[in-house]
Amino acid sequence: RKEVEQDPGPFNVPEGATVAFNCTYSNSASQSFFWYRQDCRKEPKLLMSVYSSGNEDGRFTAQLNRASQYISLLIRDSKLSDSATYLCVVNDFGNEKLTFGTGTRLTIIP
Amino acid sequence: DTGVSQDPRHKITKRGQNVTFRCDPISEHNRLYWYRQTLGQGPEFLTYFQNEAQLEKSRLLSDRFSAERPKGSFSTLEIQRTEQGDSAMYLCASTRAYEQYFGPGTRLTVT
Repeated sequence: RKEVEQDPGPFNVPEGATVAFNCTYSNSASQSFFWYRQDCRKEPKLLMSVYSSGNEDGRFTAQLNRASQYISLLIRDSKLSDSATYLCVVNDFGNEKLTFGTGTRLTIIP
Repeated sequence: DTGVSQDPRHKITKRGQNVTFRCDPISEHNRLYWYRQTLGQGPEFLTYFQNEAQLEKSRLLSDRFSAERPKGSFSTLEIQRTEQGDSAMYLCASTRAYEQYFGPGTRLTVT
């Protein structure tokens, strides 16, 4: 089983729609959780951290369910510029490395 | 530009040749990471440095791979006797505390 699992998509979504991505992780000791965005042939960039209480940044909402070892990302009112691959990322306690999922590819259709 | 830089951006080499990549982190960042990314996959951790000390290496880092950060600033990643399976994007990231900032990567193609 992969340490971090995501639906690879692709998700093709009309502009203005709401889209949700899910991710599960295998290590119950994982401590830090993130969503990164990666544009085609570019480097990953931090989109947002994910906190147990859930957190929101504009049109983006991230949630964490530690009991189910499940992370989600919700994008509301999607824009063409949201087209990218979204990577679910986990960092284990006392471990410096980031563990990435395979990414979910999103295309926003005009 | 004060971000993470990597050189070269692209490298094409023949199987069996040695290649070396360079990463210049953000200047005040004491931790530096190397990752490898293949098509359709997320980045995979290879190794990391705190200052000049290499503190962790992935089992992905075979004995053909070596990384250095001699003065705690820039880092090099060398691959000896390259194989076609080494073809990938090699990403460098740096951090001072929390967020890892990635460089643009070096795309290696082994023919």
